[in-house]
Amino acid sequence: AQSVTQLDSQVPVFEEAPVELRCNYSSSVSVYLFWYVQYPNQGLQLLLKYLSGSTLVKGINGFEAEFNKSQTSFHLRKPSVHISDTAEYFCAVSDSGGYQKVTFGTGTKLQVIP
Amino acid sequence: DAGVIQSPRHEVTEMGQEVTLRCKPISGHDYLFWYRQTMMRGLELLIYFNNNVPIDDSGMPEDRFSAKMPNASFSTLKIQPSEPRDSAVYFCASSPGAEVGQPQHFGDGTRLSIL
Repeated sequence: AQSVTQLDSQVPVFEEAPVELRCNYSSSVSVYLFWYVQYPNQGLQLLLKYLSGSTLVKGINGFEAEFNKSQTSFHLRKPSVHISDTAEYFCAVSDSGGYQKVTFGTGTKLQVIP
Repeated sequence: DAGVIQSPRHEVTEMGQEVTLRCKPISGHDYLFWYRQTMMRGLELLIYFNNNVPIDDSGMPEDRFSAKMPNASFSTLKIQPSEPRDSAVYFCASSPGAEVGQPQHFGDGTRLSIL
């Protein structure tokens, strides 16, 4: 069975400061990892994904994430946040079992402070 | 391109009434998912379909909930009878089936309030 743990439920950060949102996963097989963003009153949108290859993945809006197999982590980072990055961020994992079932984390609310 | 379309966007109804939520997935996507999002429980997968066939409904909370996908372009989630604890945002998502690891595309959700 696969699972995802997002260690921080809320992360406040000042505008233009760097941010890291943490995600750890558990799976017995090879995994595919995703970060989604949810803005108020909207559905989730894909930020970036890791399927294979380079462990550093770049996504939209200046976000990037690094896959670390030994630490079973997939942390999301941005070097300088903007007010518009205020949203909830979800880490998700899908295993290689051939199904599209994805397990989502509990989410991290990023609050950018002016 | 049109994304996943859900209707209605908001629904307010009284306890005991039947509620029907609707979803039109992205054309060509083979997988369709229904999720429920609440403050207490986060995002929960209720059921998902592959090529219109229900694959896993283990997340459906109880028999009051049912979901159908009569064709590739339409799905419904029905609650009968509704209860106040069913109040939540319900999301539909779809995903192409050609490759594993494909991301899911979400609709904007239906905000359901049961009084």
